[in-house]
Amino acid sequence: EADIYQTPRYLVIGTGKKITLECSQTMGHDKMYWYQQDPGMELHLIHYSYGVNSTEKGDLSSESTVSRIRTEHFPLTLESARPSHTSQYLCASSRLGGEGEQFFGPGTRLTVL
Amino acid sequence: GQQLNQSPQSMFIQEGEDVSMNCTSSSIFNTWLWYKQDPGEGPVLLIALYKAGELTSNGRLTAQFGITRKDSFLNISASIPSDVGIYFCAGHFGNEKLTFGTGTRLTIIP
Repeated sequence: EADIYQTPRYLVIGTGKKITLECSQTMGHDKMYWYQQDPGMELHLIHYSYGVNSTEKGDLSSESTVSRIRTEHFPLTLESARPSHTSQYLCASSRLGGEGEQFFGPGTRLTVL
Repeated sequence: GQQLNQSPQSMFIQEGEDVSMNCTSSSIFNTWLWYKQDPGEGPVLLIALYKAGELTSNGRLTAQFGITRKDSFLNISASIPSDVGIYFCAGHFGNEKLTFGTGTRLTIIP
């Protein structure tokens, strides 16, 4: 069973606020990912990391930033949230060489008013 | 970039019916995967396929990796209410990122 956690599960905030979405995994996976998904739609990769101190931008341009100071932790930050950021954010992880088998967290549903 | 076309987009079936969905790509993959997503949750990996022609089962689910490496299908036999959700195919090649399909929404009619 996958052990990857995201907090908060739901977040409703006002425009202009700074937010950080947390993601942690206990599987020792080197690679971690952030996806953005509108309800019922396909997943779009916005950030990924090969390991500590590695961060890369994904296919979908995003105003968010990420950091990877510890293997198990991959937080995503929005400096100034806007209504266009309203979406579901999914974190995932995989072992190096096993990028095809990604394990997902439960997601954070973000609403910006 | 690579695109995955998944069909059908949605299915409305009665409990007990069999289900079939497929995914086609404009380019080849080395790995095909099928995920299921329940409302408000993250996708859960159902089946992973690593070899062209491979046929793999997981309970009532059966998936195949197409011979051309550009397609895959997923079958669900004797559907039950907990099968409701969105099914995503995904393909992976080399060191590239995972590419997800557009999803098939499965609804069971009472």
